[in-house]
Amino acid sequence: QVQLQESGPGLVKPSQTLSLTCTVSGGSISSGGYYWSWIRQHPGKGLEWIGYIYYSGSTYYNPSLKSRVTISVDTSKNQFSLKLSSVTAADTAVYYCAREPLMGGYFDYWGQGTLVTVSS
Amino acid sequence: DIQMTQSPSSLSASVGDRVTITCQASQDISNYLNWYQQKPGKAPKLLIYDASNLETGVPSRFSGSGSGTDFTFTISSLQPEDIATYYCQQYDNLPRTFGPGTKVDIK
Repeated sequence: QVQLQESGPGLVKPSQTLSLTCTVSGGSISSGGYYWSWIRQHPGKGLEWIGYIYYSGSTYYNPSLKSRVTISVDTSKNQFSLKLSSVTAADTAVYYCAREPLMGGYFDYWGQGTLVTVSS
Repeated sequence: DIQMTQSPSSLSASVGDRVTITCQASQDISNYLNWYQQKPGKAPKLLIYDASNLETGVPSRFSGSGSGTDFTFTISSLQPEDIATYYCQQYDNLPRTFGPGTKVDIK
């Protein structure tokens, strides 16, 4: 059974960089066949897709965040990561990692989510 | 970006009622539409993919239909454990976008 687990600081200061890692178990990122996404949810609000990465390193970012987002992959650790720079209070959200089949378009496995608060 | 709208934004229904949620896309997305259920404090769970296909293990009281710009999600007989917020999501284009959600409550 595939499992995804987010990790990283729960508190980030304004203007700093938010960094999160998603560790995948029960399946290998390097086997291909899936995109690995980051999705966030502002408190009490809907879902916003941030972007995804393929095991090869190819990425696509939501244009609304593109200038501040970097998603990377470490296949040796079976992990992928999110960096969001120059954060403000508006970036306070629950951040989820999720898996999307190449031939699917749906998110079939999700991490449990991690709340990141931007505050001084 | 493709904009997704949902209606209603919330509803209350009795156990056993038929519940219907609609989702509309700002442009034709064929059947590239998924539905998720999210319970408080939990990650979303995939229920329906490709507009009408039931994800493995999901109860058959959940169903979806539609194509193009208009889609429907139905719970044929509402159960207490169905209390949640339901989201539609398109994947015709990048970026992936979600509807604003419909909160379902028990009357």
